[in-house]
Parts: sequence; structure tokens; C-alpha cells
Amino acid sequence: GQQVMQIPQYQHVQEGEDFTTYCNSSTTLSNIQWYKQRPGGHPVFLIQLVKSGEVKKQKRLTFQFGEAKKNSSLHITATQTTDVGTYFCAGPDSGTYKYIFGTGTRLKVLA
Amino acid sequence: DAGVIQSPRHEVTEMGQEVTLRCKPISGHDYLFWYRQTMMRGLELLIYFNNNVPIDDSGMPEDRFSAKMPNASFSTLKIQPSEPRDSAVYFCASSLDRAPYEQYFGPGTRLTVT
Repeated sequence: GQQVMQIPQYQHVQEGEDFTTYCNSSTTLSNIQWYKQRPGGHPVFLIQLVKSGEVKKQKRLTFQFGEAKKNSSLHITATQTTDVGTYFCAGPDSGTYKYIFGTGTRLKVLA
Repeated sequence: DAGVIQSPRHEVTEMGQEVTLRCKPISGHDYLFWYRQTMMRGLELLIYFNNNVPIDDSGMPEDRFSAKMPNASFSTLKIQPSEPRDSAVYFCASSLDRAPYEQYFGPGTRLTVT
């Protein structure tokens, strides 16, 4: 079945440093979503990317969808302690509304 | 809107007992999803409904798990009998049937089976 992997699994950064997480799907995706889960919280939707090569920005967050629509990345510029949490990508199982969540990247920001 | 509501927030039960988790989706949402989250297996989709009809239950681990959605504003996930390996956080989420198909997650139920 479809698999969605993320690297790295964990990342510790100093506050102010940049951070990137990478998402790779075993199949071509029609779209990809990103979620953030704070410690002890629930996943919260950040964004959806649909087009090949698409780049979207939300303040310090930059999201990119690969040309082949099998990979994606999330880059955070100048991390802050509020960025702490686990970031998940999610891609739909072909032709369904069933989203397969990635393994997640847990970000810790050291003040 | 109050968002997705789940109850109870925490449940501790003994092995062999029946457990029922409850979810109230956001009003007007077409889809309802049940997920399970553990450190070992991550966030797994158990089952999802469209307009109260179960569409895909391939993620339900075994016959001990069952889910129902008797109406648009209520769903239950039942485990009978419960086992220690069922200990996890169970999330309910709902979404509209249009882009970006954003899923709104509830706060989750933390289940501990001893």
C-alpha cells in the first residue's frame, strides 16, 4: 500500500536556526497537506499544495511540492520556541478521501 | 463553532472491558475520520464515513473494534474486549467535501488499558 515517509524523525535546533523536513511518498499524489501537532495537542491543518512544483509561504514557513508530485518539504526560517511540535505531511490514497499521514518530524527549539 | 468534540478526554480501563469513545463532528461537515496515534505506529486511519456511511474500514485492527455513525452529529468507536495494546490516543476528525479537504481534529481521547 501507499507509504509516506518523513525525514528526519527528530530535529533539535537553536532558536533562530532554520529547519527543514522532507516528505516522500511511494506513489504520485494529487495533492499534499501539512499539519502541525503541538506537544499534548491535536494535529492542526497548515496548508494544502496541489500543483507540481508549487511553492507557498506562510510567514516564516515555506512549503514546496515536488515536480513529480511524490515529495514535499517544509522549511522554517529563523525558528522560534512557538515552532515546537511534530510536523506531518499527508497525501490521499489514490482516488479516495483517505489521507495517509507521514511518520512525522518532531522539532525541538532550544532557547 | 465549538470544533470537533470528543469524550471522554481520558479513559482508564481494565483489560477485557468494553470502551466507547464518542465524537461530535463540526456541523455541516461531510466526512468523519477516526484515527489512532501511538509512538510506535504513528497516526493511523481506522475508518472514515461520508454522510454517515462507512466508506473504508480497512484500518480497523480487528473485530474487537467497531464504529458507528447513526446521524450527522454523532459517532462512536467501540472496543470490546479491550486489550493493553489498544492503549493510544484516539482522534476524531471531520472535513467538508471540497478543497482543501482540511481535516479538523478533535482534542483526542487518551485510552489506557491496564
